Amino acid sequence: EAGVTQSPTHLIKTRGQQATLRCSPISGHTSVYWYQQALGLGLQFLLWYDEGEERNRGNFPPRFSGRQFPNYSSELNVNALELEDSALYLCASTSHGIMNFGPGTRLLVL
Amino acid sequence: EDQVTQSPEALRLQEGESSSLNCSYTVSGLRGLFWYRQDPGKGPEFLFTLYSAGEEKEKERLKATLTKKESFLHITAPKPEDSATYLCAFAYSGAGSYQLTFGKGTKLSVIP
Repeated sequence: EAGVTQSPTHLIKTRGQQATLRCSPISGHTSVYWYQQALGLGLQFLLWYDEGEERNRGNFPPRFSGRQFPNYSSELNVNALELEDSALYLCASTSHGIMNFGPGTRLLVL
Repeated sequence: EDQVTQSPEALRLQEGESSSLNCSYTVSGLRGLFWYRQDPGKGPEFLFTLYSAGEEKEKERLKATLTKKESFLHITAPKPEDSATYLCAFAYSGAGSYQLTFGKGTKLSVIP
């Protein structure tokens, strides 16, 4: 069974630009979770999508948004990038109560 | 406020020197306590889920236990390849079905 995949692995942007991160869940999984892992802050919950709908979001500003496609893959968009958005962005899907994470996208904002 | 605190932040052990990592949590309606291992620059890797006080699970040199307010990850005779950051997280009723709240982790270094 293939795991959660994410692309790109690394992304470098400048302040004010937009970033788009992509995630494909494990085949058959309908829920996708996004987390941000900034240095020293631990994993922070960003967004949860299930069956194409946004089900919950964490304490992040509206410039963090996303969507889930009919094939259950997902996209995270970050608008008006700020320096503090530099982090590892992790996507996960769940099976039998276990959250399986992808390898992450490392976003660097200069 | 629901939260999870891990201690210590960092731990250095000699190879073979057993120890424990602590995870204290405050939550109403615990649905599961999770342990993950994370290597630098990679996504967390699932280790254990515990659901009720008194439950224990083992995997190789690792053993996780759960009380009503804490979970411990015991590492017996660690090897250098056990070096990683260990994350604790909980799922609670009222949130998303498997939305997890994470601690900041314990960075374990095992010295040969």
